Amino acid sequence: DIQMTQSPSFLSASVGDRVTINCKASQNINRYLNWYQQKLGEAPKLLIYNANSLQTGIPSRFSGSGSGTDFTLTISSLQPEDVATYFCLQHNSWPYTFGAGTKLELK
Amino acid sequence: EVQLVESGGGLVQPGRSLKLSCLASGFTFSNYGMNWIRQAPGKGLEWVASISSSSSYIYYADTVKGRFTISRDNAKNTLYLQMTSLRSEDTALYYCARGVGLLDYWGQGVMVTVSS
Repeated sequence: DIQMTQSPSFLSASVGDRVTINCKASQNINRYLNWYQQKLGEAPKLLIYNANSLQTGIPSRFSGSGSGTDFTLTISSLQPEDVATYFCLQHNSWPYTFGAGTKLELK
Repeated sequence: EVQLVESGGGLVQPGRSLKLSCLASGFTFSNYGMNWIRQAPGKGLEWVASISSSSSYIYYADTVKGRFTISRDNAKNTLYLQMTSLRSEDTALYYCARGVGLLDYWGQGVMVTVSS
């Protein structure tokens, strides 16, 4: 199985900050990596698919990069509504595997 | 508007069975693969099972293989998860999600609690 190591586990940042979250795969997953945002009590929402494609309706301050084993989610200017937990998902091969999550809070 | 509505959860004793449903609307259900993903209380997400649009291929996580069965009825726009031999570690919020790879829309989830 492909292991997804997500970092950091917790992140505190200020409004307007540039925020980066990383996921590292235990083997090559090409670009088959999605990023999700989950707010408290809500279902996950797809932000980025296939490493760098922005899902329809998602603000352009969210972006994704990477390929192979190393991936990054970037929020260019943090907004209060971005407080959430963020997960990566590899869908290169079954079993699909998620990162453990990054909890993002406002400083 | 794409909607996925899960149902069938509840409190069940260890070793018993439960069947979850996910009713889809707002898109052509028969064109999409579907998935079940779960989240134990306070924990991260765990993929459970996937089924292709025509049920021709099915995959399971090792943690549920042999106990859970994913299926679908395209005429009823419904995805199912039959869960047998339930264990305490199966306690989780179960989500259905659309798409093979994309998992672009998720339902709100249904809670399954396995406890005596």
